[in-house]
Amino acid sequence: EIVLTQSPGTLSLSPGERATLSCRASQSVSSSYLAWYQQKPGQAPRLLIWGASNRATGIPNRFSGSGSGTDFTLTITRLEPEDFAVYYCQHYGNSPPYTFGQGTKLEIK
Amino acid sequence: EVQLVESGGGLIQPGGSLRLSCAGSGLTVTHNYMSWVRQAPGKGLEWVSVIYSDGVTFYADSVKGRFTLSRDTSKDTLYLQMNGLRADDTAVYYCARGGWYRFDYWGQGTLVTVSS
Repeated sequence: EIVLTQSPGTLSLSPGERATLSCRASQSVSSSYLAWYQQKPGQAPRLLIWGASNRATGIPNRFSGSGSGTDFTLTITRLEPEDFAVYYCQHYGNSPPYTFGQGTKLEIK
Repeated sequence: EVQLVESGGGLIQPGGSLRLSCAGSGLTVTHNYMSWVRQAPGKGLEWVSVIYSDGVTFYADSVKGRFTLSRDTSKDTLYLQMNGLRADDTAVYYCARGGWYRFDYWGQGTLVTVSS
């Protein structure tokens, strides 16, 4: 089972700033099978990034994903008020279990 | 527009059983890779189970032997039969399209509370 560790646990930033969220895997993950999700209170998760770097439909271009192997990053340039939420990375693909990271809470400073 | 709608959640005593359903519109549930993901109160996301388009199923270790994922093609509905429920199964259960592919569509979730 692939274990995903996200850091930091909480990130406090102001609107307009840049956010960098990390996801580290316990073993190499194919870039094709790494996703990022955003979740706001009381809502279902929303797919942001798939295949490590592909934006999902309707996701603003201030969201970008990068990385390979065991280290992946979600970057949000110029934070908007609606971006403050919890973010999860996830491994999916041809080898379940499809584990999630524990989440990074992005909060307003 | 694609929509997934879960139902069947509720309050159940420890050791009891419950069956969750997931129906879709705008996509054929039984032709897709479909998963259940749960979220305990105040906690993160936990993948529970997947059914591939060919019917093969996989489960998280935490539910293996207690939960069964199936589908009814005539109703185009996904089912999660949950037996031997425990307090730590208390969570919002989400149905999502995903598994081999990214989890791109999610339902609104249904709450399962296991308590005496």
